[in-house]
Amino acid sequence: KAGVTQTPRYLIKTRGQQVTLSCSPISGHRSVSWYQQTPGQGLQFLFEYFSETQRNKGNFPGRFSGRQFSNSRSEMNVSTLELGDSALYLCASSPTGGISTDTQYFGPGTRLTVL
Amino acid sequence: AQSVTQLDSQVPVFEEAPVELRCNYSSSVSVYLFWYVQYPNQGLQLLLKYLSGSTLVKGINGFEAEFNKSQTSFHLRKPSVHISDTAEYFCAVSEGGGSYIPTFGRGTSLIVHP
Repeated sequence: KAGVTQTPRYLIKTRGQQVTLSCSPISGHRSVSWYQQTPGQGLQFLFEYFSETQRNKGNFPGRFSGRQFSNSRSEMNVSTLELGDSALYLCASSPTGGISTDTQYFGPGTRLTVL
Repeated sequence: AQSVTQLDSQVPVFEEAPVELRCNYSSSVSVYLFWYVQYPNQGLQLLLKYLSGSTLVKGINGFEAEFNKSQTSFHLRKPSVHISDTAEYFCAVSEGGGSYIPTFGRGTSLIVHP
């Protein structure tokens, strides 16, 4: 089976712009979670989608949003980018969506740089 | 609220030596515990997890971890490391009776020297 894929792998934006990142989960996985990884804050949970519904949400401002399509592919959007949004954004998928117990399979991430 | 502390930010070790990466957690309810590894320019990969049962958990690549409820610890060990084990290691906890969102530690960089 193909692993979790994320596109693009690298992205450079300027402050105030918006960005959309894409994640394709492993075939058959219905849960997709998003994480932000920075040197200062470490790995932080953004949100989780299961069957096109946001099921869990981390402590991030409303500028961060996401959605999931019927084929389980997910996108996350960040509007009005700030310098502090520069990070590695990781997507993870799991089979049944019990993120507290399920093994999560991570993609390689999208490296976002905000100038 | 749950939290995770990885006590060492960096652990240098020589090849074929044993290693222990320490992880302590804080939670008021039952927990599930995970160790993930991240190689450069890659996502995280699960090494092992504790959900219930035996407190000694064996994972991939020869790693194992022991859940110690009284000390609220979940230390990762390997009896003999290889150069290829050089990577970042993350401990994570999620609560069984509360928030299901996993909390990750800040990571420990394992550096294996020849």
